[in-house]
Parts: sequence; structure tokens; C-alpha cells
Amino acid sequence: KNEVEQSPQNLTAQEGEFITINCSYSVGISALHWLQQHPGGGIVSLFMLSSGKKKHGRLIATINIQEKHSSLHITASHPRDSAVYICAVPTGNQFYFGTGTSLTVIP
Amino acid sequence: DGGITQSPKYLFRKEGQNVTLSCEQNLNHDAMYWYRQDPGQGLRLIYYSQIVNDFQKGDIAEGYSVSREKKESFPLTVTSAQKNPTAFYLCASSWGRYTAAEAFFGQGTRLTVV
Repeated sequence: KNEVEQSPQNLTAQEGEFITINCSYSVGISALHWLQQHPGGGIVSLFMLSSGKKKHGRLIATINIQEKHSSLHITASHPRDSAVYICAVPTGNQFYFGTGTSLTVIP
Repeated sequence: DGGITQSPKYLFRKEGQNVTLSCEQNLNHDAMYWYRQDPGQGLRLIYYSQIVNDFQKGDIAEGYSVSREKKESFPLTVTSAQKNPTAFYLCASSWGRYTAAEAFFGQGTRLTVV
């Protein structure tokens, strides 16, 4: 069993749709990171959150520490949001990463 | 501005050559990490260092070596012993072992060995 599970693995949406990506974890302390990786590109850190909700533009991230679950929402999705979204949970000596959710937004 | 820098973003090498990937941070972080990503897989830990002049093997250390002579630098050498070196490599840093939540991630280096 993976320590960090993401769903769905792949997601295709029409431009303008509301997107939700989920992350559940069985390890960790009290925080979680959401990262974005464009095809062939590098990693961009979107959020680090330890409680409640954070918002940045059209991106919203929520976390429930008790349930060990986090969600990343994208409102009014756009083709430029097409990327792989990865959640990462720090614990002890390292981070555990989900395998990523590949999002494609079609115009 | 403080941050973590990996260079180069893309790297090409011939098979059998050692190659060193750079990771520098100016955040005064004690801990630094190297991860590898293969297509369709999650990132896996290669090496980590909690303090200068000390480092520990991660899950997939074979064929790699690191050094931590300075707090701000944690270079990763991919040796010729690494059987499948072509991958995406990610460096990260944090304040320390129990404060990994306050972490920063590099942009990554995509290594292609031909």
C-alpha cells in the first residue's frame, strides 16, 4: 500500500469546469504540499498547508488533518492548467509523494 | 529572495560518464533531499542530509553519490554504475528532521543518457 494515494490518476475536463483532485495519506505529521509539473517541465510548489483552506487565484487547497485527506480544486479550469498535480507529505526524514494526477483541460 | 536552485534544467550525457547535478539553497536550511521520478511513478528518495558533512541513503541510493561540504549545497553524482540514469531529479530542502513541513522544492533536472 502506498503511503500517499491520489485520485483520479487521469482527468480530462472541458475548459471552465470545476476540478477536484484528492489526496489521502497514511503517514505524516501535520502538513501537506501540492506541486504542479508541466509536461517536460519542472516542479512548481503551489501550496503548503497544515490546516483549513488556502486560496491562490483559481486554485483552492483544503486539508483535514484528522481524516488525513486533502483536496485541490481548480475553478474555471483553463487549458494552461493542464499538468500533473502531485501531493507530498513530510514525515520524519523524508517526504512521501503521490504518483500524481494528470490533468488535461480541453478548450 | 530565498530559494532553492537546481541546474541545469535539462542535461544530456553519454552512457558510461559520471554526471553531477547541482542543488543550492540560500534558505539556511539544515536538511536537503534528492528524489528521482520515473514515468508513471511517484518520486523516490535517493539520499538525504540532515546536517553538514552527514548524509544518509534513501530507498534507491545504488549508483549515486552525494556530498554535503557546505550547508547551502548538496550535489548529486550519477555514476556509471547507475543502470537506468535517465530520469527527472528533484532536490528539496527544509529546516530539519521534524520540521520538514517548511520545505522548498527545486524546479528539477531532467537527465537523459544516450
